[in-house]
Amino acid sequence: GAVVSQHPSRVICKSGTSVKIECRSLDFQATTMFWYRQFPKKSLMLMATSNEGSKATYEQGVEKDKFLINHASLTLSTLTVTSAHPEDSSFYICSARDWEGHYQETQYFGPGTRLLVL
Amino acid sequence: QKEVEQNSGPLSVPEGAIASLNCTYSDRVSQSFFWYRQYSGKSPELIMSIYSNGDKEDGRFTAQLNKASQYVSLLIRDSQPSDSATYLCAVFYNTDKLIFGTGTRLQVFP
Repeated sequence: GAVVSQHPSRVICKSGTSVKIECRSLDFQATTMFWYRQFPKKSLMLMATSNEGSKATYEQGVEKDKFLINHASLTLSTLTVTSAHPEDSSFYICSARDWEGHYQETQYFGPGTRLLVL
Repeated sequence: QKEVEQNSGPLSVPEGAIASLNCTYSDRVSQSFFWYRQYSGKSPELIMSIYSNGDKEDGRFTAQLNKASQYVSLLIRDSQPSDSATYLCAVFYNTDKLIFGTGTRLQVFP
């Protein structure tokens, strides 16, 4: 299967600072990437869809000025949590869409980034 | 509202048994279906994808799709304790985005 990496895997920051998380597709080009967050023992929550060369599409209730997404190349999308607060502490996971044939696309997930805001 | 439904479990099976995980979805036009495994504290890992009616086998895993009944299942043969995880069913609607079920927690006991 295709490989998606995320960096950093874990970050601790002070309240009010900004944190950037990188998501890379290592062996395929991804025109579309997705950002999720997950709270303990809860399901994945889609935050936004990141499209290469265009603005991200945010899910209802997700603040686009709070969670800045940039998809500058076919292999890299970044999520910046601006002015982070303790309630932003969560497990952030990206995924990248890979086309494997006619109408056959699959999403592969990165290993996730655990953010703790103090 | 497009939905994917799974029993949250836990589903407990003895080692060596067959574990059967089920999922139903609401939109008849769905084309792509996936099973992901998620260990506690880790991100989801793709196990199987299935696109057409019938069975698809990969090692100990078999995915079954019935579009008429809007039902997709995952069978795990010869279950091992290392299979203990949460299994997420996901459905792709019209090349838009994946919709995930809430997951079924599987426990395989020795």
